[in-house]
Amino acid sequence: EVQLVESGGGLVQPGGSLRLSCAASGFTFNSYWMSWVRQAPGKGLEWVANIKPDGSEKNYVDSVKGRFTISRDNAKNSLSLQMNSLRAEDTAVYYCARVLNSGYPDYWGQGTLVTVSS
Amino acid sequence: DIQMTQSPSSLSASVGDRVTITCRTSQGIRNDLGWYQQKPGKAPKRLIFAVSSLQSGVPSRFSGSGSGTEFTLTISSLQPEDSATYYCLQHYTYPYTFGQGTKLEIK
Repeated sequence: EVQLVESGGGLVQPGGSLRLSCAASGFTFNSYWMSWVRQAPGKGLEWVANIKPDGSEKNYVDSVKGRFTISRDNAKNSLSLQMNSLRAEDTAVYYCARVLNSGYPDYWGQGTLVTVSS
Repeated sequence: DIQMTQSPSSLSASVGDRVTITCRTSQGIRNDLGWYQQKPGKAPKRLIFAVSSLQSGVPSRFSGSGSGTEFTLTISSLQPEDSATYYCLQHYTYPYTFGQGTKLEIK
């Protein structure tokens, strides 16, 4: 059974940093692209970033470029999102998702809430 | 960026009704379009990928169609458990973009 479990969310001040993690199991992690998708409270879904199976290619939405870094550790079946210079508008539930070869995110974790507030 | 226009933003329908949700894209996206269902407090659940391919375990009353820049999600006979918000997603080019969502209520 595919499982994705996010952790690391919490309350952080504007300008601060946070690192999210996603533990993956039930599939061959190093064969899949992975994504982060976020959802601000009461709002729709927003794709944040993708990473290739070997970590050699990463893509980001413009609003997080230069501030967020997606990474993975295939030995530990783990996906991460390092978030720096956080802003109030980054407040959201962050989901990690497995991505099919076509680019379609199929399985999603339960999400972790990040709140950026003073 | 590819703009996604999803309509309607909300609708109310009765059990047994046929419901259609539309997603229009600002440019062609081949068949790189999928649909998700999200219930309050839960993660999005996969429904349809590649425009019309039903994910394993999804009831056959759900179907997808379309081409070019116009795509639809149809629920052939609405059930009470279908109350949720539905999103389309284009994964043709970066940044991937979602529709604004359609909140479906059961009368």
